Amino acid sequence: GAVVSQHPSWVICKSGTSVKIECRSLDFQATTMFWYRQFPKQSLMLMATSNEGSKATYEQGVEKDKFLINHASLTLSTLTVTSAHPEDSSFYICSASRTRSAETQYFGPGTRLLVL
Amino acid sequence: EDQVTQSPEALRLQEGESSSLNCSYTVSGLRGLFWYRQDPGKGPEFLFTLYSAGEEKEKERLKATLTKKESFLHITAPKPEDSATYLCAVQARGRSGGSNYKLTFGKGTLLTVNP
Repeated sequence: GAVVSQHPSWVICKSGTSVKIECRSLDFQATTMFWYRQFPKQSLMLMATSNEGSKATYEQGVEKDKFLINHASLTLSTLTVTSAHPEDSSFYICSASRTRSAETQYFGPGTRLLVL
Repeated sequence: EDQVTQSPEALRLQEGESSSLNCSYTVSGLRGLFWYRQDPGKGPEFLFTLYSAGEEKEKERLKATLTKKESFLHITAPKPEDSATYLCAVQARGRSGGSNYKLTFGKGTLLTVNP
């Protein structure tokens, strides 16, 4: 199988605080991991792509200083939402691929973030 | 810019009533077309990858087909447990810079199968 986990599954925080979300590939080594955001009834929007040991590549319009991504090992990537605001409330989903060419991405269960 | 349009937005079927979901796409060089299933509050679950026009893949009651402009997900004799949102995504051939292998998703088709 190809199992990807995320932690936490949901988080509520106060405006101005930072939140860290973990994404782990449990049974394979993930050379590439992706972070998406999904608003209700909307499609998944890619935020950034990270390769193990390299800096993340951010999509246009995504603030790299606000959404910090670390991919320190082949099984773990983290997304930190810094100084979160209510408009950052969303469903954050990671995916992982065995290769840089990312033929197939396996998704985590998602993290629901609510910023009050 | 790569674009994916899925139709219909929502589809209600009776158990056993077969139908098809459509995914139309425009991409500068298709590397792969992906189908995922997403249950409420969950991440997408991988179903199929199609690489070239004419290709077909099957899994239980689902069959995916691909042409140069669109893909269909056929559901034969659906059951209530097939109820979910079905997402289509395309991956373009590598281009310089940025996220070379990113997926561009459609908004999905919400399928409801009534018993």
